[in-house]
Amino acid sequence: QSVLTQPPSASGTPRQRVTISCSGSSSNIGSNNVNWYQHLPGTAPKLLIYRNNQRPSGVRDRFSGSKSGTSASLAISGLQSEDEADYYCAAWDNSLHAWVFGGGTKLTVL
Amino acid sequence: VQLQESGPGVVKSSETLSLTCTVSGGSISSYYWSWIRQPPGKGLEWIGYIYYSGGTDYNPSLKSRVTMSVDTSKNQFSLKLSSVTTADTGVYYCAREEPGYYYMDVWGKGTTVTVSS
Repeated sequence: QSVLTQPPSASGTPRQRVTISCSGSSSNIGSNNVNWYQHLPGTAPKLLIYRNNQRPSGVRDRFSGSKSGTSASLAISGLQSEDEADYYCAAWDNSLHAWVFGGGTKLTVL
Repeated sequence: VQLQESGPGVVKSSETLSLTCTVSGGSISSYYWSWIRQPPGKGLEWIGYIYYSGGTDYNPSLKSRVTMSVDTSKNQFSLKLSSVTTADTGVYYCAREEPGYYYMDVWGKGTTVTVSS
């Protein structure tokens, strides 16, 4: 059972917009920034969004993040087949004194 | 910067799991270096990190079994997890975090460790 809660799966058709939610508590998302990672099995996880809504250099502006209270969301617009991957949210937890992650959301492009 | 995990793919139950992460294309200095694992079919779990100067911070849930070390001359850092059980089976990743930035920006591809009973 992951500390942060994500839906196990999400899907969309090409060019569609999808969102992935991440729910936490006052000790993690409610107090700290949220980061998002994109992961293809067998490859290194890739930082997609940091500090709730910032994109690292090289990440397309089709990816955006937001945070409100104890929840965060990742939005992917103009969905492409290459976006098929697992997506994880992460935040520091002040009570657990540890980085905590969501269980991951598997995105399928139909 | 690239990170590469290495170590035995199989460890016997009750023994110690030992992994090394080699940093290439950049210096190990001035960063926190984390270990994260993913059991089969489950989410990611942060194990802890070591600062390049040797300071450590471990996940309280694993603290009693974890030891991390760093070798700046080799640009490597290591993880030891003692008294392993089958619950420690999974993919182990190393990652980099810059102090004050609060995100891990570079990850390795991971190495699979199976604990045999």
